[in-house]
Amino acid sequence: QVQLQESGPRLVKPSETLSLTCTVSGGSISNYYWSWIRQPPGKGLEWIGYIYYTGSTSYNPSLKSRITISVDTSKNQFSLKLTSVTAADTAVYYCARVAGGYSYGPWGQGTLVTVSS
Amino acid sequence: QSALTQPPSASGSPGQSVTISCTGTSSDVGGYNYVSWYQQHPGKAPKLIIYEVSKRPSGVPDRFSGSKSGNTASLTVSGLQAEDEADYYCNSYAGSNRVFGGGTKLTVL
Repeated sequence: QVQLQESGPRLVKPSETLSLTCTVSGGSISNYYWSWIRQPPGKGLEWIGYIYYTGSTSYNPSLKSRITISVDTSKNQFSLKLTSVTAADTAVYYCARVAGGYSYGPWGQGTLVTVSS
Repeated sequence: QSALTQPPSASGSPGQSVTISCTGTSSDVGGYNYVSWYQQHPGKAPKLIIYEVSKRPSGVPDRFSGSKSGNTASLTVSGLQAEDEADYYCNSYAGSNRVFGGGTKLTVL
């Protein structure tokens, strides 16, 4: 079955860029939409955006000016870049496949990214 | 887009049924049949348990059911079991956005 795994730096300095990659295994990245979702410690979930394997994207309007999501079909990976981070961007970042009816599953295990100097 | 409104907590005894509500607006929950529900155990990733308001993915017990009336969606867990104790989140399509509820902590007494 399809599995997802997030990777990237766990600590980012304020004002710098957060970069994460999601590697998809057990299936092809083609023909699906893929999403990033985050969860600040002790808080709820927030949709960041999604990308289709062809490269078309949709972003959360509240984060749109700082987000770039890209895809590399040759590596079966998609990535997230979030610029000008602050402490408010500290969260567990999850990648997930977009399933039927704009739902999300399966999910990666998540990676905690801390923004701190 | 504001988050969908869920009660912060819910509880029930083993074997009982509990219903968790998720209230939005006509721009999200009420406007589309694209409500999904997720179960999250502590320290784990969320797991999809309901999509398109009332459909269950393969492998999800039929004790979990979903419905919608107007701007409010609901998740019902019947025959509560100890392993159902978790956080539950709703999510809705909202045009150019996707919105989650704030989450409900379900306690099995």
